[in-house]
Amino acid sequence: QKEVEQNSGPLSVPEGAIASLNCTYSDRGSQSFFWYRQYSGKSPELIMFIYSNGDKEDGRFTAQLNKASQYVSLLIRDSQPSDSATYLCAGEGGTSYGKLTFGQGTILTVHP
Amino acid sequence: GAVVSQHPSWVICKSGTSVKIECRSLDFQATTMFWYRQFPKQSLMLMATSNEGSKATYEQGVEKDKFLINHASLTLSTLTVTSAHPEDSSFYICSAQDINYGYTFGSGTRLTVV
Repeated sequence: QKEVEQNSGPLSVPEGAIASLNCTYSDRGSQSFFWYRQYSGKSPELIMFIYSNGDKEDGRFTAQLNKASQYVSLLIRDSQPSDSATYLCAGEGGTSYGKLTFGQGTILTVHP
Repeated sequence: GAVVSQHPSWVICKSGTSVKIECRSLDFQATTMFWYRQFPKQSLMLMATSNEGSKATYEQGVEKDKFLINHASLTLSTLTVTSAHPEDSSFYICSAQDINYGYTFGSGTRLTVV
């Protein structure tokens, strides 16, 4: 079982819709979770991180963490074509103390 | 915010030669740097964790004699791919850890071995 798992997608949503990206993790010791966006041929860019149960909002992005269910999600409201990219979920802590363990990424396409 | 500079952005080398990739933290001191490799349509795989002034810690399956890592200062880490072969062709990305900004990634290096 992979430590961090994401639906590889691709996920396709119309412009203006809400895109929902999901991630599960197996290591209960994981403490912090990061969402990165990666455009083709580029390195990852941090969208946001979360370490407390519940929701964390930043502009059009909301991260949700449920430690009991070992589940992390990222919601993108009012999706734009420029949001089309691969979204990477990463966990830190537990067996990954002091480093990030990445999921396989979810490809998101926002079509006009 | 924290900025990490990585050079070169792309390199083509002949099979059997060595290639050095540099990773610099420009506006902060990074006690820990990370090196990742990413093959097409795959996620980032951690190769090694580099701590300033000490030997790097390699992930399982990564050949330490092939991928030489040096972290001689708090702002510079280098990855040298020795005796490169076509299967080493990949996207190599470094990351530096900062107490204020978490993990910041370099722009990546596209290595093609011909």
